[in-house]
Amino acid sequence: NAGVTQTPKFRVLKTGQSMTLLCAQDMNHEYMYWYRQDPGMGLRLIHYSVGEGTTAKGEVPDGYNVSRLKKQNFLLGLESAAPSQTSVYFCASSDGTRGANYGYTFGSGTRLTVV
Amino acid sequence: AQKVTQAQTEISVVEKEDVTLDCVYETRDTTYYLFWYKQPPSGELVFLIRRNSFDEQNEISGRYSWNFQKSTSSFNFTITASQVVDSAVYFCAVVNFNKFYFGSGTKLNVKP
Repeated sequence: NAGVTQTPKFRVLKTGQSMTLLCAQDMNHEYMYWYRQDPGMGLRLIHYSVGEGTTAKGEVPDGYNVSRLKKQNFLLGLESAAPSQTSVYFCASSDGTRGANYGYTFGSGTRLTVV
Repeated sequence: AQKVTQAQTEISVVEKEDVTLDCVYETRDTTYYLFWYKQPPSGELVFLIRRNSFDEQNEISGRYSWNFQKSTSSFNFTITASQVVDSAVYFCAVVNFNKFYFGSGTKLNVKP
């Protein structure tokens, strides 16, 4: 049982390049989330999804897009990467019935550097 | 908006000392859930505890204990007899509408 898997684990981008981070979960969870972690700022919510085909903005959505075409996958896209998007990105999921009140399952993170 | 404040950015202690990590939260909800997570140097997020707002009993798990004071909106975390392996960043979080809102974290350094 893999839980939540993030791909890739590390990436270096040049300013202006695009990329997609993949989050896959095998627990049949309804809710999925993307956070970024920056020093001294904790984890901040970028986008989230409450089900297949739905997405919504979180606290810091600018510069990112997301898609949830399949229930098990939640993609985070950077169309034109900027150095300010250098961060560690975490994906998480939670059960639709019990919700996030019962906790998240986190991925192991993706360390992205934009130069 | 939900808000979690962890005023202690970094704490250093010597092994076997007790240490308390503070967490103060804001929420408009009457029912809510609070969490603590640990992030060791390896980077993963490790669940420590979940507490709902109806239960104000303190909880103890081995060397870890949590003090929930609804009247002061605080959910503090104490490690007794700290160990080097406790060195990590600790996050407090409040859940609202199925979303976690995290504090900025407290980095704990436990020196041998």
